Amino acid sequence: RKEVEQDPGPFNVPEGATVAFNCTYSNSASQSFFWYRQDCRKEPKLLMSVYSSGNEDGRFTAQLNRASQYISLLIRDSKLSDSATYLCVVNRPSGAAGNKLTFGGGTRVLVKP
Amino acid sequence: GAGVSQSPSNKVTEKGKDVELRCDPISGHTALYWYRQSLGQGLEFLIYFQGNSAPDKSGLPSDRFSAERTGGSVSTLTIQRTQQEDSAVYLCASSSRTGPGELFFGEGSRLTVL
Repeated sequence: RKEVEQDPGPFNVPEGATVAFNCTYSNSASQSFFWYRQDCRKEPKLLMSVYSSGNEDGRFTAQLNRASQYISLLIRDSKLSDSATYLCVVNRPSGAAGNKLTFGGGTRVLVKP
Repeated sequence: GAGVSQSPSNKVTEKGKDVELRCDPISGHTALYWYRQSLGQGLEFLIYFQGNSAPDKSGLPSDRFSAERTGGSVSTLTIQRTQQEDSAVYLCASSSRTGPGELFFGEGSRLTVL
């Protein structure tokens, strides 16, 4: 089983609609969680951190469920520019080196007019 | 520039040759990561450097892969005796915090092994 798993999609979303997707992680020692966005043939960039109580950043809402070991991302009022691959990132302590950030395979979102 | 710099941006090599990929992190960033991304796939962790600590090499796929980080700054990823399955984009990222923080990625080095 992969350490971090995501539905690869694509999620085809009408412009203006809401889309949500999850990411599951296998290691209960995981401590920090993030969503990154990657545009086609570009490098990933941080979208938002995920806090225990859930958090919002504009049209984006992230949730963490430690009991079931998953995080979620919801996008409201989807824009064409939201089309991208969304990568779930999980951090856990990693021996002397400190931390290990593991990426999921990504969920592709396509927003259409 | 102020961002993470990687070179070369593109490298085409023949099977069996050695390649070196370079990463120049953001000045002052103590953490440096190497990942690789095959076409249409997610990011595969390779190696992580944090300050002067021993690196986490747990993601290196074989002993043909090695990496070093000199003076806590520039890092070089070396692939010996390249194979076709090594073809991928190799991404370097740096972070300013000991704990998990925002990763700043370079644009990657696209390696093609013929």
